[in-house]
Amino acid sequence: NAGVTQTPKFQVLKTGQSMTLQCAQDMNHEYMSWYRQDPGMGLRLIHYSVGAGITDQGEVPNGYNVSRSTTEDFPLRLLSAAPSQTSVYFCASRGLAGITTDTQYFGPGTRLTVL
Amino acid sequence: AQSVTQLGSHVSVSEGALVLLRCNYSSSVPPYLFWYVQYPNQGLQLLLKYTTGATLVKGINGFEAEFKKSETSFHLTKPSAHMSDAAEYFCAVSEGGGSNYKLTFGKGTLLTVNP
Repeated sequence: NAGVTQTPKFQVLKTGQSMTLQCAQDMNHEYMSWYRQDPGMGLRLIHYSVGAGITDQGEVPNGYNVSRSTTEDFPLRLLSAAPSQTSVYFCASRGLAGITTDTQYFGPGTRLTVL
Repeated sequence: AQSVTQLGSHVSVSEGALVLLRCNYSSSVPPYLFWYVQYPNQGLQLLLKYTTGATLVKGINGFEAEFKKSETSFHLTKPSAHMSDAAEYFCAVSEGGGSNYKLTFGKGTLLTVNP
């Protein structure tokens, strides 16, 4: 049971490049989400999903796209990277039923730098 | 809308001293409250949570927190700090359980433990 995994751990992009941050979980959790963490800002919700085929925007969705084709995977796409997207990105998941439904489990993070 | 305020972005204590990290929240419905810890270059790990029932909750590593509805607070304490407690701590709120899955985080408090 690997929990929540994220790849890559580190990434450097040039302005205007695109990339996809990968997130996968093996806990059969319906709910998955993406946060960005910036110094002094805490974690801010980018997008979330309550199940395959269902996604919605969080607090800071601009510049990011998501899709959810399977329960396990929830990739985050940057279509045209900007320096303002330099951040640490965390993926999280939680179940919607059962005794652990209140707790979100976090991946180890992806540190992204946009030059 | 829900929000979280963590008083003090940086708290410094001596080893063996009391740790007190403050968290106040606003929520239009009974909240679910969480404390997460983040060690350097790692993801977030759940310390403890309050959902319903007993207002004093105990977590891992000797931490505990008390939900005080009248003060809209959920302060985190530990009687005796250890060097290994040095980390960043985040308070988070969700507006109840059920279909509300979104977590709102405070900006974090960096705890330094001096020998």
